[in-house]
Amino acid sequence: QKEVEQNSGPLSVPEGAIASLNCTYSDRGSQSFFWYRQYSGKSPELIMSIYSNGDKEDGRFTAQLNKASQYVSLLIRDSQPSDSATYLCAVKVNTGFQKLVFGTGTRLLVSP
Amino acid sequence: DTEVTQTPKHLVMGMTNKKSLKCEQHMGHRAMYWYKQKAKKPPELMFVYSYEKLSINESVPSRFSPECPNSSLLNLHLHALQPEDSALYLCASRMALGEAFFGQGTRLTVV
Repeated sequence: QKEVEQNSGPLSVPEGAIASLNCTYSDRGSQSFFWYRQYSGKSPELIMSIYSNGDKEDGRFTAQLNKASQYVSLLIRDSQPSDSATYLCAVKVNTGFQKLVFGTGTRLLVSP
Repeated sequence: DTEVTQTPKHLVMGMTNKKSLKCEQHMGHRAMYWYKQKAKKPPELMFVYSYEKLSINESVPSRFSPECPNSSLLNLHLHALQPEDSALYLCASRMALGEAFFGQGTRLTVV
């Protein structure tokens, strides 16, 4: 089992819709979870972090964490074509050496 | 300021060359990372430095040699690379329990 798993997509949504991106992780001791956006040829850009169970909202983005189910999600409301990118889920695994492990990423396509 | 600066942005090197990638941050972060990313793949961890000491080496070949001269700088020395080492090399830094911020990366091509 991979440490962090994501559906590779592409996930296609129309402009203005809600995009829902999902991520599962295997290390039950993990405490820190991050979502990065990566445009083609560019470096990952941090868009959300979440550390506690529940929802965390920042503008059009909402991160959701369920530690019991080992599940993290990212909702993007009012999706825009500029949101088209690969979204990487990252988990700080509990090795004691601050190891940040990435999922394979989900490619999101928002059509006008 | 959440800036991590990597130089150079692009690098083309021959298989017999020696080159270095540089990374700098002034956020006071004490953990710094090198990642390698191939096209359409996620970043793959290479090295972690914690408080200027190498804490993780993910079985990276010795032709990649990291160095952390001080808390703000991280280097990656390259020697005798292979064409398959061509990739985007990413540096990141983070606080102990906080978010990791990436530099813009160095696009490396080995010819």
